[in-house]
Amino acid sequence: TQLLEQSPQFLSIQEGENLTVYCNSSSVFSSLQWYRQEPGEGPVLLVTVVTGGEVKKLKRLTFQFGDARKDSSLHITAAQPGDTGLYLCAGAGAAGNKLTFGGGTRVLVKP
Amino acid sequence: GAGVSQSPSNKVTEKGKDVELRCDPISGHTALYWYRQRLGQGLEFLIYFQGNSAPDKSGLPSDRFSAERTGESVSTLTIQRTQQEDSAVYLCASSLVSGGSPLHFGNGTRLTVT
Repeated sequence: TQLLEQSPQFLSIQEGENLTVYCNSSSVFSSLQWYRQEPGEGPVLLVTVVTGGEVKKLKRLTFQFGDARKDSSLHITAAQPGDTGLYLCAGAGAAGNKLTFGGGTRVLVKP
Repeated sequence: GAGVSQSPSNKVTEKGKDVELRCDPISGHTALYWYRQRLGQGLEFLIYFQGNSAPDKSGLPSDRFSAERTGESVSTLTIQRTQQEDSAVYLCASSLVSGGSPLHFGNGTRLTVT
């Protein structure tokens, strides 16, 4: 069973501060996805990273996939209250395998 | 286009009763997942369907839980003899193929067992 551990579990910061969420595993993943979930809704895909060492930027969000494809990070610059939510990473193993989710990081950005 | 649809959106039931939750995936999506999410927690994998392959039931917490999928369309999750510990949001997701394809989630069914 492939396991993904996210840290921290909860993060509370002030508007304008930066934050980083980590997703780690002892297993190699063919790709890794990040989702954000807001209350009362299902998770929504933010990004997919597939190449070891890959860095993707979406406005103030920067996603990195580790060289060995075992870990990933999400960095938010100048966080805003709209960034509040549950951030989930999910890894895909070999073709045909189901996605495995991490336990999530709950982010609260206070105005 | 239509997304993943789940019904009902809310369900309150008495302990010991059976419930059936429905998921309509996006048309053409071969993979379908069910997850359970307790309040303030992450996603707990329940079951995974991929095309005509045998479903991966490794996440079902007990034999009171079962799920079916008709071809590559509707899926139902059934919980028999519900317990208070079953109270949670049940999320369904579908994807075009398995593995690294993005998941499209429904908004879930909030189940409350009294």
